[in-house]
Amino acid sequence: AQSVSQHNHHVILSEAASLELGCNYSYGGTVNLFWYVQYPGQHLQLLLKYFSGDPLVKGIKGFEAEFIKSKFSFNLRKPSVQWSDTAEYFCAVFGTGGFKTIFGAGTRLFVKA
Amino acid sequence: EAGVVQSPRYKIIEKKQPVAFWCNPISGHNTLYWYLQNLGQGPELLIRYENEEAVDDSQLPKDRFSAERLKGVDSTLKIQPAELGDSAVYLCASSLGQSGTGELFFGEGSRLTVL
Repeated sequence: AQSVSQHNHHVILSEAASLELGCNYSYGGTVNLFWYVQYPGQHLQLLLKYFSGDPLVKGIKGFEAEFIKSKFSFNLRKPSVQWSDTAEYFCAVFGTGGFKTIFGAGTRLFVKA
Repeated sequence: EAGVVQSPRYKIIEKKQPVAFWCNPISGHNTLYWYLQNLGQGPELLIRYENEEAVDDSQLPKDRFSAERLKGVDSTLKIQPAELGDSAVYLCASSLGQSGTGELFFGEGSRLTVL
């Protein structure tokens, strides 16, 4: 069965600190991978996506993620967080055989000014 | 371009009452999804439509939940009767093309509180 695991439910960082949020998935076939972000009071929106090609993908607002196929991982990174990055981050996996997008439980990030 | 529109944004009802949520997807998006998001959890798929056909409703509790997308555009999700455990955010999303890439465009959600 398809599943997604996010390692941290809550993360607190100071501004300018580096961020890495872990995401591992379970699926036996080809996947498309996503990170979505939900800022306070706003709807879920796409942060970045991986379909194929270069496993290091860059998204909006300085975020990037690396797909490591052998580890079934798609970790999100940002070298220096800002207060405005305070949000909830969801990793999502689309199994191209099952046509279903599965989400992780989310990580709440709070950045202290 | 208008995004996914959902209404109402908030709904408070007493248990055993019916409730309905409406969603209008992005124009041209054939695929429409209803997701359930409980507090502290990620969205969970309830039902997926390809045009007017429900192609995946395996996670929809059919004893009390129903959905329709009669003309293949907007959609309604209904709960009757509502239970306390139904308190959650109901998210609608759409995507371009049949089955597609998995990239979803979400509405703002409808937050349901059942008293």
